Amino acid sequence: AQSVTQLDSQVPVFEEAPVELRCNYSSSVSVYLFWYVQYPNQGLQLLLKYLSGSTLVKGINGFEAEFNKSQTSFHLRKPSVHISDTAEYFCAVSDLCRRPSRGGGADGLTFGKGTHLIIQP
Amino acid sequence: NAGVTQTPKFQVLKTGQSMTLQCAQDMNHNSMYWYRQDPGMGLRLIYYSASEGTTDKGEVPNGYNVSRLNKREFSLRLESAAPSQTSVYFCASSPPDPVAKNIQYFGAGTRLSVL
Repeated sequence: AQSVTQLDSQVPVFEEAPVELRCNYSSSVSVYLFWYVQYPNQGLQLLLKYLSGSTLVKGINGFEAEFNKSQTSFHLRKPSVHISDTAEYFCAVSDLCRRPSRGGGADGLTFGKGTHLIIQP
Repeated sequence: NAGVTQTPKFQVLKTGQSMTLQCAQDMNHNSMYWYRQDPGMGLRLIYYSASEGTTDKGEVPNGYNVSRLNKREFSLRLESAAPSQTSVYFCASSPPDPVAKNIQYFGAGTRLSVL
């Protein structure tokens, strides 16, 4: 079964400093990769995705991530964080090599345990 | 746009009580999902429905049942609630096309406490 590891449960960063949130997944031939953000008391919102093509993907709110197949990583970065970036960030993977579901739809994402990004003024 | 709507937003149950969490999406998506979120555990898949008329178990299905009522609605039922089912429950849906089917859209969640 696929697994996702987010190495840091909490990352404190000063405002306007750069940040990197790390994500590694267990090896597979083909995967789709995602970062979701959860603001306090809200649902999850898609931040960015890697489906194919360029390994550097850009998302909303100035975030970007780089897919590294050899290191099975998909780290999230932002060059300058803002207080409004305080949230929980989840890395997720969809394993394309899993048995297709009967109905032809996707059969769920595997999530990491999350990283709490804390922006300090 | 409503997107994915979950009801109720909050619920407190006593051990042994039953309840159904409701989820509806208005995006004409084929696939729908139920996850639970616990502190330090991330999100774990309970059940999913790849299309109308089908349901499959996820990672943590024990103690739950689901019904895909129609294309729009996917409900999660706790027949006899236990304190271990205290959690935040999220419903999600994904579109039908071959690539975008893996992108999931989430509701705001139901916060459930079982005493």
